[in-house]
Amino acid sequence: DTAVSQTPKYLVTQMGNDKSIKCEQNLGHDTMYWYKQDSKKFLKIMFSYNNKELIINETVPNRFSPKSPDKAHLNLHINSLELGDSAVYFCASSRGAEAFFGQGTRLTVV
Amino acid sequence: GESVGLHLPTLSVQEGDNSIINCAYSNSASDYFIWYKQESGKGPQFIIDIRSNMDKRQGQRVTVLLNKTVKHLSLQIAATQPGDSAVYFCAENNEGGSEKLVFGKGTKLTVNP
Repeated sequence: DTAVSQTPKYLVTQMGNDKSIKCEQNLGHDTMYWYKQDSKKFLKIMFSYNNKELIINETVPNRFSPKSPDKAHLNLHINSLELGDSAVYFCASSRGAEAFFGQGTRLTVV
Repeated sequence: GESVGLHLPTLSVQEGDNSIINCAYSNSASDYFIWYKQESGKGPQFIIDIRSNMDKRQGQRVTVLLNKTVKHLSLQIAATQPGDSAVYFCAENNEGGSEKLVFGKGTKLTVNP
């Protein structure tokens, strides 16, 4: 009964490839997020969706495209992966300000 | 602009001691604050929150103090245990604005047995 689940947990891929990370929440929340955590553990919001609509886009390169087929799912597609995209990506959901996080996807671009 | 920072990037304590983790924020419009705990290989987990109309809130073994005058937040952990070893983040939000949490840099707490 995981609240926020994302797959895969680990992703190793070559530069230039396109990859997707999936996220699902069973908390009934209206808002979902993608956060990026760099090697220094700094957490920064990338996107926020509310009821399938994009509400926050924090100047993320347009190689990153979130997609929300329904309010329980928010997937992240990344085109033309670069070395600097290597990080841990966290999906989260919330009803108010408190966010519930998934376990993270460690993306390594080689 | 917005910024949330931590005074100490690392903190090492002995088991049984009390721990204090500090956080400074600069957005005076922030009215809601959360402390998160992130264990190795896991996502951040909610510990305790506080709204700007309060200056102290207590949970089980944890206390959050908010000083709006100097824009300072602290997390106190009583009788620190090895299981408390993790990275701790403060996060701020302006509930009247976007539903966006801004995270601080994180403090790594190590509890020595």
